[in-house]
Amino acid sequence: GQNIDQPTEMTATEGAIVQINCTYQTSGFNGLFWYQQHAGEAPTFLSYNVLDGLEEKGRFSSFLSRSKGYSYLLLKELQMKDSASYLCAVMDSNYQLIWGAGTKLIIKP
Amino acid sequence: IAGITQAPTSQILAAGRRMTLRCTQDMRHNAMYWYRQDLGLGLRLIHYSNTAGTTGKGEVPDGYSVSRANTDDFPLTLASAVPSQTSVYFCASSASGSYNEQFFGPGTRLTVL
Repeated sequence: GQNIDQPTEMTATEGAIVQINCTYQTSGFNGLFWYQQHAGEAPTFLSYNVLDGLEEKGRFSSFLSRSKGYSYLLLKELQMKDSASYLCAVMDSNYQLIWGAGTKLIIKP
Repeated sequence: IAGITQAPTSQILAAGRRMTLRCTQDMRHNAMYWYRQDLGLGLRLIHYSNTAGTTGKGEVPDGYSVSRANTDDFPLTLASAVPSQTSVYFCASSASGSYNEQFFGPGTRLTVL
């Protein structure tokens, strides 16, 4: 079966760095997405990786290793507004997104 | 309209009733999707449409139907609602191509009693 695993909840301090991991087992691979979802709101796109390596976009970076079925989202200089759930999703061989349950990130002052 | 809209925002429905959730986008995206989101679970695909006139079944299609008469609209119908369909429903759209992000509507919170 297809499976996306990510931690349920993480806590970090304002101004610090946090890494959210995602491991996956899917039928085929056509890219990995990270989305941010604030409580009560819709998910919004953060990043897309299809090749191995690190993609940097401002305070957010995303890494992919296809051979290990592994990705992480790195958030730097954490701000209170970064408190949200972070969703990992993999596009499978049918070009459908398979979603993880999300990681709730709590930022403390 | 800017982006993707859904209606209603929330609804309480008696079991056995028929309900249609509406979704409209103005981005001229070919692909549209319906997901449900339940606590502790990832988004699960109900139905999708790669282009107007075509639809397909996702991971959890039972009890739901969709139509795609034109590019902009993608309604989701519950023919006879059951309590297990209590969930938050998100509609999304994307341009063609695997690298294209999906844009989500604000969601519909549905409670079936």
